[in-house]
Amino acid sequence: GQNIDQPTEMTATEGAIVQINCTYQTSGFNGLFWYQQHAGEAPTFLSYNVLDGLEEKGRFSSFLSRSKGYSYLLLKELQMKDSASYLCAVMDSNYQLIWGAGTKLIIKP
Amino acid sequence: ETGVTQTPRHLVMGMTNKKSLKCEQHLGHNAMYWYKQSAKKPLELMFVYNFKEQTENNSVPSRFSPECPNSSHLFLHLHTLQPEDSALYLCASSQDSGGGSYEQYFGPGTRLTVT
Repeated sequence: GQNIDQPTEMTATEGAIVQINCTYQTSGFNGLFWYQQHAGEAPTFLSYNVLDGLEEKGRFSSFLSRSKGYSYLLLKELQMKDSASYLCAVMDSNYQLIWGAGTKLIIKP
Repeated sequence: ETGVTQTPRHLVMGMTNKKSLKCEQHLGHNAMYWYKQSAKKPLELMFVYNFKEQTENNSVPSRFSPECPNSSHLFLHLHTLQPEDSALYLCASSQDSGGGSYEQYFGPGTRLTVT
């Protein structure tokens, strides 16, 4: 079967750095997405990786290793507004998104 | 209005009721999706429409019936639901459903409670 694993919850301190990991096993691979979802709001797109390596976008970076079935989202200079759930999703060979259950990130002052 | 809108935002219905959820996208996209989001579970894809044609139906019970009259509007008709159908129902759209890099844009969701 298809499976996306990510930690259920993480806690970090304002101003620090946090890395949220995602491992996947899917039938085919057409890219990996990270979304942010604040409580009670819609998920919003953060990043897309289809080739191995690191993609940097401001305070957020996303890394992909296709051979290891692994990705991480790196958040730097954490702010209180970064408290949210972070969803990892992989597009399989049928161009269908397979979603993880999300990682709830709690930022403490 | 911009983006993806959904109405109503909250809905409480009995198991014998019939109701409809509405989604509208103002992004000029060709693909629209219905998802179910339950607490601490992955997003569950329910239906996909591409250019108004249904391309995916992920074994969704027949008490959920989608309708896509045009590329901008998507409905989810509900009847004789069960309490376990209580969840957040999210609508999304993207440029196309067959492209790898096309991110999906989500609406705010309808919080459905079945009593």
